[in-house]
Amino acid sequence: DAKTTQPNSMESNEEEPVHLPCNHSTISGTDYIHWYRQLPSQGPEYVIHGLTSNVNNRMASLAIAEDRKSSTLILHRATLRDAAVYYCILSYNTDKLIFGTGTRLQVFP
Amino acid sequence: GAVVSQHPSWVICKSGTSVKIECRSLDFQATTMFWYRQFPKQSLMLMATSNEGSKATYEQGVEKDKFLINHASLTLSTLTVTSAHPEDSSFYICRVLAQGGSPLHFGNGTRLTVT
Repeated sequence: DAKTTQPNSMESNEEEPVHLPCNHSTISGTDYIHWYRQLPSQGPEYVIHGLTSNVNNRMASLAIAEDRKSSTLILHRATLRDAAVYYCILSYNTDKLIFGTGTRLQVFP
Repeated sequence: GAVVSQHPSWVICKSGTSVKIECRSLDFQATTMFWYRQFPKQSLMLMATSNEGSKATYEQGVEKDKFLINHASLTLSTLTVTSAHPEDSSFYICRVLAQGGSPLHFGNGTRLTVT
């Protein structure tokens, strides 16, 4: 089975960009890469997802390595509301999910 | 808008009682839903896969008689924690199976506290 690895925690200052890495060296060709974030006592919130190409939306950008063995979630300008645990998740047909351990992002004013 | 509705968002119950948690798919019919459990500072752990009209599939180590799952309609799955004990206190999250390539659809979770 594929596996994802994330740093336990990261810090950022407000208004600065944040790059959250995820290693998934055993990803299969059909696994989608999802990023979700979670606040205490809340369900996971969708951030972004992709398969092979880089993706952009109003919340973030997803940079996927050419070999797909790693990806980076980019928050272009961190705000205090971006403080959360960010999960990198692999999915095959959205059936079976492989969760990363999550990165706790702290944002300082 | 929300695709999945999970209720209640929190519940406190006494040891020995049973608690039912509901997960509703709002936007589409869901033949498959998933139930997760999350302990503090840990990732989500899959407990079981709920299949409409058939028995749920439980992950190894999850007691099927303790965590009863009913998926009687295409929009509703329920998880009943029977004879709850303090060690069952946790955050329970449901997910609705969507089409491949689409975002994942999670509920907002239920905080269960057993006293």
